[in-house]
Amino acid sequence: DAGVTQSPTHLIKTRGQQVTLRCSPKSGHDTVSWYQQALGQGPQFIFQYYEEEERQRGNFPDRFSGHQFPNYSSELNVNALLLGDSALYLCASSFGGRSYGYTFGSGTRLTVV
Amino acid sequence: QKEVEQNSGPLSVPEGAIASLNCTYSDRGSQSFFWYRQYSGKSPELIMFIYSNGDKEDGRFTAQLNKASQYVSLLIRDSQPSDSATYLCAVNHWSTNAGKSTFGDGTTLTVKP
Repeated sequence: DAGVTQSPTHLIKTRGQQVTLRCSPKSGHDTVSWYQQALGQGPQFIFQYYEEEERQRGNFPDRFSGHQFPNYSSELNVNALLLGDSALYLCASSFGGRSYGYTFGSGTRLTVV
Repeated sequence: QKEVEQNSGPLSVPEGAIASLNCTYSDRGSQSFFWYRQYSGKSPELIMFIYSNGDKEDGRFTAQLNKASQYVSLLIRDSQPSDSATYLCAVNHWSTNAGKSTFGDGTTLTVKP
């Protein structure tokens, strides 16, 4: 069963650096949504990619950007890292640009020091 | 006011009891509702979804929806220690943000043997 694959699992970066996180959606899914989850909080929507386009965006600054490839995999890029960007970044896959309930990847734990 | 609100807990119940988890939402246009379970250090996994007013049962889990009161709940019957986790309520506004789920901050459940 090809579930949602995220890499890397853990990452430590310095303030001001840039980071790229990667996600491959579940087999049969074509939509990737990215969420940020701070400790003790629920996931916060960053953006969604469908048909290689950013379809929706949450309240995140332009430092957060992404991309979706023809094979439906996706990247999340964060520039000029801040200490407050430290969080678990979750990739959620679904089908058809909608969400009938996501399948989440195991996440990337980003620590900014 | 947060869009999706949950009691943070912790909620503690004895093994075999019924655990009741509650969620309220502010957007009357919300049309689909999801419950995710998140074990400590893991990513969320979908356990239930409900679209229509009333009850929906799946094994030991029952989701209840009351759109007039903007309230959704999850009942866990015959609670087991393995049910100890954080339960996240998520809400979709179907027409304009179909692919976006807004999450509450979760309720932490502890089932004591």
